[in-house]
Amino acid sequence: DVRLLESGGGLIQPGGSLRLSCAASGFTFSDFDMIWVRQRPGQGLEWVSRISGSGSSTFYADSAEGRFTISRVNAANTLYLQIDSLGADDSAVYFCVKPGRGGAAADFGFWGQGTLVVVSS
Amino acid sequence: SYVLTQSPSVSVAPGRTATIICGGDNIVGKTVHWYQQKPGQAPIVIMFYDSDRPSGVPERFSGSKSENTATLTISGVEDDDEAAYYCQVWDKSRDHWVFGGGTKLTVL
Repeated sequence: DVRLLESGGGLIQPGGSLRLSCAASGFTFSDFDMIWVRQRPGQGLEWVSRISGSGSSTFYADSAEGRFTISRVNAANTLYLQIDSLGADDSAVYFCVKPGRGGAAADFGFWGQGTLVVVSS
Repeated sequence: SYVLTQSPSVSVAPGRTATIICGGDNIVGKTVHWYQQKPGQAPIVIMFYDSDRPSGVPERFSGSKSENTATLTISGVEDDDEAAYYCQVWDKSRDHWVFGGGTKLTVL
């Protein structure tokens, strides 16, 4: 079974940085793009970033461009999201997502339970 | 950037049919996926590739698409269907993945 376990969230002061991790299991990690989606409190889902299976291609939402860095270590089956210069607007649950199948148009088939980031002084 | 528009809320009595609409420019040319999210839980895919149901999703759920609208239809609504529903597409022109704002389904 596919399992995605996020970690690294918590209470962070404005202007700070953090790195979220997602430990994946149950599939051949390097065969799949991986995705981060966030959900601000009481709000809808927002795609944040995506990385190819090899890690050579990365994609960012406009809201994430410049401050967010997605990366992966395939040997460790782990996905990362580095967020710098955190602001209150970055407070959200961050979900690690695996596509249901290959291809850019594929569904977001598998979701972790999310890790909560709260940006506050 | 590509925008998907959903009504914030829909209410329906048990046993009736709920229609959840996702509007987007020429959405007929895109592949639409639908997600269900219950409070405190991660989303799950409830419909993929416009009208395919993942295993375990009841036949009461169906999907369709027209020129500028994608529709998720839930027939014979049950209390357990109360949730938020999101549509999602890939915007090929920008390599961005887009969600609709979500529709909260209330079962009366």
